[in-house]
Amino acid sequence: DARVTQTPRHKVTEMGQEVTMRCQPILGHNTVFWYRQTMMQGLELLAYFRNRAPLDDSGMPKDRFSAEMPDATLATLKIQPSEPRDSAVYFCASGFPYRVNTEAFFGQGTRLTVV
Amino acid sequence: ELKVEQNPLFLSMQEGKNYTIYCNYSTTSDRLYWYRQDPGKSLESLFVLLSNGAVKQEGRLMASLDTKARLSTLHITAAVHDLSATYFCAVEDDKIIFGKGTRLHILP
Repeated sequence: DARVTQTPRHKVTEMGQEVTMRCQPILGHNTVFWYRQTMMQGLELLAYFRNRAPLDDSGMPKDRFSAEMPDATLATLKIQPSEPRDSAVYFCASGFPYRVNTEAFFGQGTRLTVV
Repeated sequence: ELKVEQNPLFLSMQEGKNYTIYCNYSTTSDRLYWYRQDPGKSLESLFVLLSNGAVKQEGRLMASLDTKARLSTLHITAAVHDLSATYFCAVEDDKIIFGKGTRLHILP
């Protein structure tokens, strides 16, 4: 069945290392969102793409985070260098806005721990 | 800037009782979603509300949307333990912005 696939599911890394998270959106969806979830801040929108073009990345710390969509089947979120405060669950979601009765569907998330 | 506010943020209630979660938002959007999240899990879509006056029901949950008041409600009828989870409302204004979530704990 159609689903959003995220890899890896869990990642433990040392401070200063590069982290890359990947997302395969549902086939046919034209919009991809990246969210970060923490207890303190809840679900924060980091960036989103439509038809592979970045529309808004104002939620991301620009100096260390970057998001790309090299093709329609892959979205990536990179952190370089990583810091302990980046520890969170990162969710990717895909959808087709303005189509009747559709919503964003979420992947299982990547749980990142930076030590 | 689009803001989405939910209340209450925490709710502990007994089985069999009724309660309502409120979601206020700051834009003129008429697309609003409710999601459920279980601990350690992803978000699961519950309802899609697309117009003023929209009402959707699934089992003991009913969601409604008043775009004039910029308010959505999620009503729980005769709560059961299985409904314990965190519930999020989200508003679409090109991007999708989430409220802080309501952590619902239903006591047996």
